[in-house]
Amino acid sequence: AQSVSQHNHHVILSEAASLELGCNYSYGGTVNLFWYVQYPGQHLQLLLKYFSGDPLVKGIKGFEAEFIKSKFSFNLRKPSVQWSDTAEYFCAVTPDLFKAAGNKLTFGGGTRVLVKP
Amino acid sequence: GAGVSQSPRYKVAKRGQDVALRCDPISGHVSLFWYQQALGQGPEFLTYFQNEAQLDKSGLPSDRFFAERPEGSVSTLKIQRTQQEDSAVYLCASSLAPGSYNEQFFGPGTRLTVL
Repeated sequence: AQSVSQHNHHVILSEAASLELGCNYSYGGTVNLFWYVQYPGQHLQLLLKYFSGDPLVKGIKGFEAEFIKSKFSFNLRKPSVQWSDTAEYFCAVTPDLFKAAGNKLTFGGGTRVLVKP
Repeated sequence: GAGVSQSPRYKVAKRGQDVALRCDPISGHVSLFWYQQALGQGPEFLTYFQNEAQLDKSGLPSDRFFAERPEGSVSTLKIQRTQQEDSAVYLCASSLAPGSYNEQFFGPGTRLTVL
């Protein structure tokens, strides 16, 4: 079974600071990787995803993530955060399978990010 | 509506009561998932439907949990004889088709509090 760990539970930073959130996964096969974001009072939304190809993927709102296969990592980055980036961020993984049983996501524990204005 | 909807948004139950949580997926979405999110944790998979067929229920924590999707659209998650440890946010997600390449769209969740 796969597992996902996110290293930081809480991050506090000021506007314009750079953000990097760590994510490591454990799985013996090929995986698809995701970052989801949950803004206060809103539902989970997909931020970006990696399936194959260029390991540096760009998502919405200036976020990017880099897949490093040798480290089993998929860290999320943003060069300059804004107050509106205050949210909880979840890394998730699913096996790269195209099967009828579906593609259940395994999530990390989440990182709460507070951006001070 | 355009997104996944869930009802009720909040539910308070006394220990031992039965509850039913509803999910309306995006119209036409074949795949439907239920997840449980305990306080301070990430969502954890409960069960998966492809149309009306429940293909994976490996995440259901006990036989008190039951889910159905009889007509392949709306789904209901039922919890019998609720316990305090059942307190969590229950999330529903749907995707257009099976397979990990299809994005899962999440609903707002139902926050269940068992007293």
